[in-house]
This record gives sequence, structure tokens and C-alpha cells, in this order.
Amino acid sequence: GAVVSQHPSWVICKSGTSVKIECRSLDFQATTMFWYRQFPKQSLMLMATSNEGSKATYEQGVEKDKFLINHASLTLSTLTVTSAHPEDSSFYICSARSDAEAQYFGPGTRLTVL
Amino acid sequence: QKEVEQNSGPLSVPEGAIASLNCTYSDRGSQSFFWYRQYSGKSPELIMFIYSNGDKEDGRFTAQLNKASQYVSLLIRDSQPSDSATYLCAGEGGGADGLTFGKGTHLIIQP
Repeated sequence: GAVVSQHPSWVICKSGTSVKIECRSLDFQATTMFWYRQFPKQSLMLMATSNEGSKATYEQGVEKDKFLINHASLTLSTLTVTSAHPEDSSFYICSARSDAEAQYFGPGTRLTVL
Repeated sequence: QKEVEQNSGPLSVPEGAIASLNCTYSDRGSQSFFWYRQYSGKSPELIMFIYSNGDKEDGRFTAQLNKASQYVSLLIRDSQPSDSATYLCAGEGGGADGLTFGKGTHLIIQP
């Protein structure tokens, strides 16, 4: 149980394009989903928290207009990196949680912006 | 500001021995603590979580929490080479907060 998937697992795009990453909880309903970013040799940094049907809460320093989050259902959240630039290249990882349970992480999406 | 501190290592432990990983946190409001294992290039996988003072055991793993000292630890008994990874400690403030991660401890189990 507690399986979270992400798609795509990796993506390479040109600077200025937008990239959408999907996060799905496969065997449970996630009341809350989280988006993290991890740069090489660094720990995970929380970007935003999203609850189904409401606006995401962004961490300080994360541009909400650049990183669009939609939590359309209890099993799906999407992160869209708009007008991506090379400095946005990173490992993006989502996690999902049902009520008071622990967070379970997706396999991550490695984004490379050329 | 919430902070979770870990020694980055590497921590080298012989196979079969006990590996001891430590973590301190600054936010006294943190309610729950999690240990994740992360292999290079992969996302974290949950080992166990703890929210009450004392010890919690699960197989070869024991998590320990001391809220007065703001200290969390993870013991791995009978260490195996496959336990070699980066171990991330994370704290959560309760409610819908995300996790605050430490930078992780790189553990190496020597065959």
C-alpha cells in the first residue's frame, strides 16, 4: 500500500517552455500533497502544500506564478513549471498523505532545462 | 525558523554492527519525526516515524525520540551493505505542514 507515482520520471526541455509534472496516489486518497525540490547533494526543500479543492500554500521564496500547483482530486496533483530556465533544473519530488498518516514519496521527476 | 540538523558523514560501520544515526531539531512545536532512506538518484523511502518520547522498534530499526533534548535517533541493527544510503531525518509540525528535512547522513556499511 501507500504507492505514489509521478510522471514523467525525467524531462528535458528548452528554456522558456512550460513543463507539467503529475503526482498520483495509487492506492489511497491523499488529503494533502506536497511538492519538494532537491538540488544535487542537498536535502529536500518543501516548495508547497496542496489540499484537494483549495489553493496551494507556498513556502517563502517559492514563486507561485512560476510553479503552478493544481490538486484536482484526492489522487492527483500537478506541478507546472512555467517559463522554465536552467536554474530550475532539479529533482522534483511529490509526496502524499492521507489524514494523519506519514508522507509517502513519489519516485521523483528529474527536470533538465537547456 | 525550523531547522533539523544531521551530521553529513560519511558514517562508516562494519557489516553486522549497529549503525547509530542522530538528529536534532530546533522547533519545539514539531510533533512527529520521520526517518527516510534515500539511495543516490532516487526519492526517499519511509523507514519509520515516531511521535512519542521513547523508543519505537520495527524489525532491525529502532527510532528514539527525546523531546526535552530535541533529539531523534535511528539505530540499525545487524547492518547490511544494502543499508548503505543517505538517511534523512525530518520533522513535522502537525496539521498540514510539510516536512522539514535535515541534510542527511551518508551511511556506508563495509562488508
